[in-house]
Amino acid sequence: GDSVTQMEGPVTLSEEAFLTINCTYTATGYPSLFWYVQYPGEGLQLLLKATKADDKGSNKGFEATYRKETTSFHLEKGSVQVSDSAVYFCALSEGDMRFGAGTRLTVKP
Amino acid sequence: DSGVTQTPKHLITATGQRVTLRCSPRSGDLSVYWYQQSLDQGLQFLIQYYNGEERAKGNILERFSAQQFPDLHSELNLSSLELGDSALYFCASSVQVSGNTIYFGEGSWLTVV
Repeated sequence: GDSVTQMEGPVTLSEEAFLTINCTYTATGYPSLFWYVQYPGEGLQLLLKATKADDKGSNKGFEATYRKETTSFHLEKGSVQVSDSAVYFCALSEGDMRFGAGTRLTVKP
Repeated sequence: DSGVTQTPKHLITATGQRVTLRCSPRSGDLSVYWYQQSLDQGLQFLIQYYNGEERAKGNILERFSAQQFPDLHSELNLSSLELGDSALYFCASSVQVSGNTIYFGEGSWLTVV
């Protein structure tokens, strides 16, 4: 069945460092791909999404490109801030939404 | 505020008991999803309903059941509770049955003692 694999954390970075969180997927068709973020004590919020190959989703300085040839949707940000500390989930949807295990990011001043 | 409302926010109950978690989706959303988030198993998909009908089933235990009512709210029933059922249970909703963004509630914390 459909599944998502994302890099294990935790990830600890200094403020202004470059961030990459890897995500690969397995799907039978052409899923939509998502990144969700969960701040402490809150539910998941949509960060960005892409619905077809080569689409780039972007929001709040984060970007991810839907790569069908490598079945990937890696999350990147050029300069992280302390406020980006959260758990990030990669997800796909061909029907129900399937999530990766989550990657905890801590950004230190 | 996502527009998805879950009650109760916190619940403490004893092993062997039964609880019901309630979810009201965003206005206009027909699809409701239930997820379980625990420390050791991440975010697990339990079940999805669309316009009152079961649409997809994930890792939902036989002790758990759910339904979506004509007014589109949903309930997740957890019975014969075990210590391992302690987790954060999320409801989410979306407009369509697949492929689009889903919006999460703030979750219901269940502690089984």
